[in-house]
Amino acid sequence: GENVEQHPSTLSVQEGDSAVIKCTYSDSASNYFPWYKQELGKRPQLIIDIRSNVGEKKDQRIAVTLNKTAKHFSLHITETQPEDSAVYFCAASTHNTDKLIFGTGTRLQVFP
Amino acid sequence: DAGVIQSPRHEVTEMGQEVTLRCKPISGHNSLFWYRQTMMRGLELLIYFNNNVPIDDSGMPEDRFSAKMPNASFSTLKIQPSEPRDSAVYFCASSRTTGEQYFGPGTRLTVT
Repeated sequence: GENVEQHPSTLSVQEGDSAVIKCTYSDSASNYFPWYKQELGKRPQLIIDIRSNVGEKKDQRIAVTLNKTAKHFSLHITETQPEDSAVYFCAASTHNTDKLIFGTGTRLQVFP
Repeated sequence: DAGVIQSPRHEVTEMGQEVTLRCKPISGHNSLFWYRQTMMRGLELLIYFNNNVPIDDSGMPEDRFSAKMPNASFSTLKIQPSEPRDSAVYFCASSRTTGEQYFGPGTRLTVT
C-alpha cells in the first residue's frame, strides 16, 4: 500500500524567511496530494492541494511542487509569519479511492 | 453549513467502559472517515465509508473497535471495552468523492 514520508519533523525559521517541507510517496498511482495545517488544539484544515496533472500550484505565500518521476512533493511558504506556526501534514491518495495516507507531520515554528 | 459535527467533544471514562463517538457529516458529502490522532502514532485512518458502506476498515486496531453508518447523516465509532491506550483525539471527516476532506472538531477521549 501507499506510504508517505515527511521531513523534517520540526522546522524553526525567523519571521520573513522561507520554509520548505518535503514528502515522498511510494505508490506511483497516487494522483492527489493535499497539505493540511493543524494549529494547536484545532482540527486539520486544507491549505493547498495538487493533482498529478500539474507540477506546481501557488496560492499567495504558499506553493506546492510535484515531481512525479521522483515521487516527491514539497510545500513552500514564503515570507513566513508567526501565525504560520502549526503542524503541517502532507497526504497522498490514488484515483480509485478517497483514502488519504498522511505523513507524520512537521512542526513549524516561526519566531518574531 | 455547520461543517462536520462531532459529539461529545470530550469524554473521560474508566477502563472497561463502552464509549460511543458520534459524527454528522456535511450534507451532500458521500464519504466519511474516522481518524485517530496521538503523539506517538500521528494521524491514523481507522475506517472510511462511501455512500454509507464501509470500504476500508484495515486501520481498525482490533475487535474492540466498531463503526456504523446507518444513514447518510450519521455515523458512530464504538469502543468496547475501552483501554487506557485508546486515549487519543478522534476525528471524523467527510468529503465528496475524491475531494477535499473536511475535518470535524474532534473528540478528546481519556480512558483512566
